[in-house]
Amino acid sequence: DTAVSQTPKYLVTQMGNDKSIKCEQNLGHDTMYWYKQDSKKFLKIMFSYNNKELIINETVPNRFSPKSPDKAHLNLHINSLELGDSAVYFCASSPTSDLGVTEAFFGQGTRLTVV
Amino acid sequence: EDQVTQSPEALRLQEGESSSLNCSYTVSGLRGLFWYRQDPGKGPEFLFTLYSAGEEKEKERLKATLTKKESFLHITAPKPEDSATYLCAGGNQAGTALIFGKGTTLSVSS
Repeated sequence: DTAVSQTPKYLVTQMGNDKSIKCEQNLGHDTMYWYKQDSKKFLKIMFSYNNKELIINETVPNRFSPKSPDKAHLNLHINSLELGDSAVYFCASSPTSDLGVTEAFFGQGTRLTVV
Repeated sequence: EDQVTQSPEALRLQEGESSSLNCSYTVSGLRGLFWYRQDPGKGPEFLFTLYSAGEEKEKERLKATLTKKESFLHITAPKPEDSATYLCAGGNQAGTALIFGKGTTLSVSS
């Protein structure tokens, strides 16, 4: 059973196009995230949602728009794709805790290549 | 600015040669120190969480320790299957996300 699944695994598209990445978790977690991993393998938080509510929106161009239809799903829509958007995008989820952020469980990633 | 720094960037070991990976952090109000393993083409896999200085956790050949300023991932008698990138992350003060270091890529040869 896949805990955090995202689709597609690979996405190749032209500059200027609009694309979406879907994410679903079956762990019953309240919090979901989108992280971006650049070519140097550096993982950086983009968005965080808790119970469908946006908690974090880091310095990300407004061409990126997350949408959470329910607490098990967090999709990422990207408008007007640019070459610099090429990266691996990871969805993750974590349980809620009084200790704050807890261990996040990651999907397998979506490798986005903009040509 | 909250920051997590890992060293070395890359480490090559012979099978059985023990070593340590370092993670230093400047995260105000750090809420948890997390270690992950990432294999090529896959998502990070959770290994450990440490919350208090002096805390230690072990899993097979790996042991993670935490002080007030840094964490170490000790690898005892590594095997080739331990080859991966090891990521360290700190929980931010707001408790809303993980701040990752750039990772240490470990290669173990037989």
